[in-house]
Amino acid sequence: DTAVSQTPKYLVTQMGNDKSIKCEQNLGHDTMYWYKQDSKKFLKIMFSYNNKELIINETVPNRFSPKSPDKAHLNLHINSLELGDSAVYFCASRAEGTGSGYTFGSGTRLTVV
Amino acid sequence: RKEVEQDPGPFNVPEGATVAFNCTYSNSASQSFFWYRQDCRKEPKLLMSVYSSGNEDGRFTAQLNRASQYISLLIRDSKLSDSATYLCVVKTRTGNQFYFGTGTSLTVIP
Repeated sequence: DTAVSQTPKYLVTQMGNDKSIKCEQNLGHDTMYWYKQDSKKFLKIMFSYNNKELIINETVPNRFSPKSPDKAHLNLHINSLELGDSAVYFCASRAEGTGSGYTFGSGTRLTVV
Repeated sequence: RKEVEQDPGPFNVPEGATVAFNCTYSNSASQSFFWYRQDCRKEPKLLMSVYSSGNEDGRFTAQLNRASQYISLLIRDSKLSDSATYLCVVKTRTGNQFYFGTGTSLTVIP
């Protein structure tokens, strides 16, 4: 009954590879997000989608491309991985217009070697 | 200037102690405020929303001071299980973006 689930939980890959992280939420929320948490534990927003429409696109390299096939899914594809991409990536969702906070997925720990 | 600033700590307190964290925000148009808790190698989880009049949930009390643009979290009778990082989160009235503080680390010592 996981509310926001992301896969994989761990991802170790070589520089230059392309990888994807998947996220699904069963809460009926209409807004989903991707956050990056670096080694200093700072959570920084990357993207936000509302009903499959991109509404926030922070200054992220264009090697990162989100895709939302429907409002319950928001996947993150990363091309040409670099060492600096190593971080924990969290997917989150929330119900827009309710004043409520986020529900986070358990995170994907990406290590680029 | 960062949107949200927190003292990173660490705060090391004995069991049973009372501890308080503050968090300041820069945008006076901020609308919604939250405290999240993040355990080591886990995702952040909502601890409590912060309401204008202040609110309490068991041993936890959250307060908002709009004039001075800060929110606070007070934990009474600290338990070992309270050890975690506490993240302050602020949402502005316009836009759809939440801003996270860098977190305050708390360790409760037996």
